[in-house]
Amino acid sequence: RKEVEQDPGPFNVPEGATVAFNCTYSNSASQSFFWYRQDCRKEPKLLMSVYSSGNEDGRFTAQLNRASQYISLLIRDSKLSDSATYLCVVNRGGSYIPTFGRGTSLIVHP
Amino acid sequence: GAVVSQHPSRVICKSGTSVKIECRSLDFQATTMFWYRQFPKKSLMLMATSNEGSKATYEQGVEKDKFLINHASLTLSTLTVTSAHPEDSSFYICSATDSWETQYFGPGTRLLVL
Repeated sequence: RKEVEQDPGPFNVPEGATVAFNCTYSNSASQSFFWYRQDCRKEPKLLMSVYSSGNEDGRFTAQLNRASQYISLLIRDSKLSDSATYLCVVNRGGSYIPTFGRGTSLIVHP
Repeated sequence: GAVVSQHPSRVICKSGTSVKIECRSLDFQATTMFWYRQFPKKSLMLMATSNEGSKATYEQGVEKDKFLINHASLTLSTLTVTSAHPEDSSFYICSATDSWETQYFGPGTRLLVL
């Protein structure tokens, strides 16, 4: 099993839709989780950290399920500008070394 | 947010030459810098973790003699691809952190080896 797994997609949704991505991780000792966004041919940019209690930033909500070892990202009211690849990042258990998922591609169309 | 720069942004070189890529944290002191490689439509693959003043820690399968990392100060790390070959062509990205939590990425360097 890969350390961090994501459905590569693409998820093709209309503007205004709600879309959710999941990411599973294999190391139960992992403590830090993040979602990054990467646009084509650009570097990743931090979207949000994922806390045990879940967190929300505007249209974006991230949740952590330790029992099932997955994190999720929910995007409400999708915009065209949300089109990108969303990368799940999990720090290795007991360390700060990050492991990236392969990313989930989101395409928001008019 | 914090700014990390990389230089050069793009380089084309002949097979057998060495290429040096610089990664700088511009407005903070980075305790740790990471070097990644990304092939088209693939995820970022961590190559090595670099701490100022100590030897880099390389990931399994990454040749330390081929990818030389020097972390001379809290704001500068360099990656040298020695004797580059076409299969080394890739997108190389660095990131820096001062808190072991949030990483700030450089804009990346596209390397093409002919």
